[in-house]
Amino acid sequence: GAGVSQTPSNKVTEKGKYVELRCDPISGHTALYWYRQSLGQGPEFLIYFQGTGAADDSGLPNDRFFAVRPEGSVSTLKIQRTERGDSAVYLCASSLGAGSDYEQYFGPGTRLTVT
Amino acid sequence: LAKTTQPISMDSYEGQEVNITCSHNNIATNDYITWYQQFPSQGPRFIIQGYKTKVTNEVASLFIPADRKSSTLSLPRVSLSDTAVYYCLVGLTGNQFYFGTGTSLTVIP
Repeated sequence: GAGVSQTPSNKVTEKGKYVELRCDPISGHTALYWYRQSLGQGPEFLIYFQGTGAADDSGLPNDRFFAVRPEGSVSTLKIQRTERGDSAVYLCASSLGAGSDYEQYFGPGTRLTVT
Repeated sequence: LAKTTQPISMDSYEGQEVNITCSHNNIATNDYITWYQQFPSQGPRFIIQGYKTKVTNEVASLFIPADRKSSTLSLPRVSLSDTAVYYCLVGLTGNQFYFGTGTSLTVIP
């Protein structure tokens, strides 16, 4: 079946602009995660959804970052007033359930470049 | 916090067995240990998961001692296509997960 998909694959934006990154999880997966990965680093946890609600958003770096999952499937990560330091690959993952005993399936990521 | 520590890099010749050890001193009682593989420009991919003792699947083995403060990923007879970054993952708090910097494995012909 289809895996996790993310759009766009690449996004270039100017400093100060607003961007939206989309994640389509595997059908039936209730848990959805967003991570940010900078060059040479491991993925950094941002936010986790169980169903429609954000169960843990403590990884969001500041209030410019926001994510939604209104129908418990597709999720959108929104970044306001982008800064050059936001440049990274944004990864989305989904899993059948929540907890460390569930395998996370990752999408290919969205490479965000803020100029 | 259940952070992990791994060697930054390793080299191995083709056909050899590779063991990558991860330290996770503060692992919680309910946490599983999961290893992921990541190629450039791709998202991480699940390799293996375990809770205690030994787990084996078609691509790897995972050894976890009784105190669970570390784990060792074993890749038998590596090939050039195993060149990648390998991450050890345990739960952080709640449903956060800490990937760390991973181990960059280079397989040499």
